Amino acid sequence: GDSVTQMEGPVTLSEEAFLTINCTYTATGYPSLFWYVQYPGEGLQLLLKATKADDKGSNKGFEATYRKETTSFHLEKGSVQVSDSAVYFCALSDSRVGANNLFFGTGTRLTVIP
Amino acid sequence: NAGVTQTPKFRVLKTGQSMTLLCAQDMNHEYMYWYRQDPGMGLRLIHYSVGEGTTAKGEVPDGYNVSRLKKQNFLLGLESAAPSQTSVYFCASSYPGQGYNYGYTFGSGTRLTVV
Repeated sequence: GDSVTQMEGPVTLSEEAFLTINCTYTATGYPSLFWYVQYPGEGLQLLLKATKADDKGSNKGFEATYRKETTSFHLEKGSVQVSDSAVYFCALSDSRVGANNLFFGTGTRLTVIP
Repeated sequence: NAGVTQTPKFRVLKTGQSMTLLCAQDMNHEYMYWYRQDPGMGLRLIHYSVGEGTTAKGEVPDGYNVSRLKKQNFLLGLESAAPSQTSVYFCASSYPGQGYNYGYTFGSGTRLTVV
C-alpha cells in the first residue's frame, strides 16, 4: 500500500545553516506529494506541493523536487531561521485511494538555535 | 473566514467516559477527515466522509464513531474512552479532488488525555 518514510529527528541547526529533510514514498499510482508544517500549538499548514514527476514545489524559501526515479521528495532550505522551528510532515495523496486520502510520514522536529 | 474549527481544544477524560469532538468548516467542502497524531507515528486516519450522511473507516477506526448529519459538521465520538486514545486529534476538509492537487485544510487540533 501507499506509505511515506521520513527522516527521523529531531534535527537541531544553527541559524543560517542548510536544511535537508529526507522523504521517500511508496505508491502504486501517480501520487501528489506534500510538505506540511506544524508550528508549536497549531494545526498543520500546507508548506508546498508537487503533483507530477520533476515538479518543484517552493514556498517561504523551502523547496522540494518530485523525483519519480528515486521515489523521493526531500525538503531543503538554504538558510534556516529561528522562526522555522517546527515539525515537518511529508505526505502523499493517491487519487485512486478513497477520498484522496493523505498518507503522512512520522514527522521531523526541527529546532533552529540563534 | 474561520476555515476548520475544532471544539474543544483540550479535554481530560476518565477511563470509560464518553465524549464527542466537533469539527465545523465554513468552506462548503464535501470531504472531511479525522486524524490522530501520536509521537513517532505521524498522523493516522480514523474516519472520513465524502458527503453529508456518509462516513467510512480509515486506518485506525476502532473505538471511535463518527457522524456527518450536516455538510459543515463532522463529529467524532468516543463511547468508552481508554488511555490508548490519549492523543491529539485533527480534523481536515477538502473539495472532491482537491486533496490530490492542493492538500487539505486542517483545524488546530484537540488535545485529549484519558486517565
